[in-house]
Amino acid sequence: GNSVTQMEGPVTLSEEAFLTINCTYTATGYPSLFWYVQYPGEGLQLLLKATKADDKGSNKGFEATYRKETTSFHLEKGSVQVSDSAVYFCALSPTGAGSYQLTFGKGTKLSVIP
Amino acid sequence: GAVVSQHPSRVICKSGTSVKIECRSLDFQATTMFWYRQFPKKSLMLMATSNEGSKATYEQGVEKDKFLINHASLTLSTLTVTSAHPEDSSFYICSARDRLLAGGYNEQFFGPGTRLTVL
Repeated sequence: GNSVTQMEGPVTLSEEAFLTINCTYTATGYPSLFWYVQYPGEGLQLLLKATKADDKGSNKGFEATYRKETTSFHLEKGSVQVSDSAVYFCALSPTGAGSYQLTFGKGTKLSVIP
Repeated sequence: GAVVSQHPSRVICKSGTSVKIECRSLDFQATTMFWYRQFPKKSLMLMATSNEGSKATYEQGVEKDKFLINHASLTLSTLTVTSAHPEDSSFYICSARDRLLAGGYNEQFFGPGTRLTVL
């Protein structure tokens, strides 16, 4: 079956530090890949996505590249801010008609300190 | 962008009572809505998939008689936790899939979640 593995947190960084959150997946074919962010007490928001190999998703300074050869979709940001403190979820959705269920990783909590 | 609301945001109830949680798509029609449960420090667990006008499809291990789902319209789905017990306390999150994007990539729009506490 499909699965997503992401690095366990929590991750604590100083403001302006470089961020990497690793994510690898197991799936058949070419799934769509997503990063969602959950701020304290809120639901999930789509941060970025990639729908095919070598695509790069980007938003708010965050980037992730769909690597088919390593089945990875690592999240990066060059300079984090305190406002980036949240839980980040990597997820995949299989391709194919009617295949739109999301499989999530366990989430990585990021805390950015001033 | 697409907005999904949930009501209530928090609810506290006594053991044995039933609680209804509403999920609404505010500016789009949702072909499909999903209900998730999130445990502390854990990922989201898909409970069921709800299609408008038809019965919900429950994931393995989820009791359909305990978690009643009704998707009466393209903008509203409800989750009723029947005879709630303390172990049902959790954060419940719904998501919706835009009917107009049904042919595109598989994005879901998430509600803000409902914190259920059963005493």
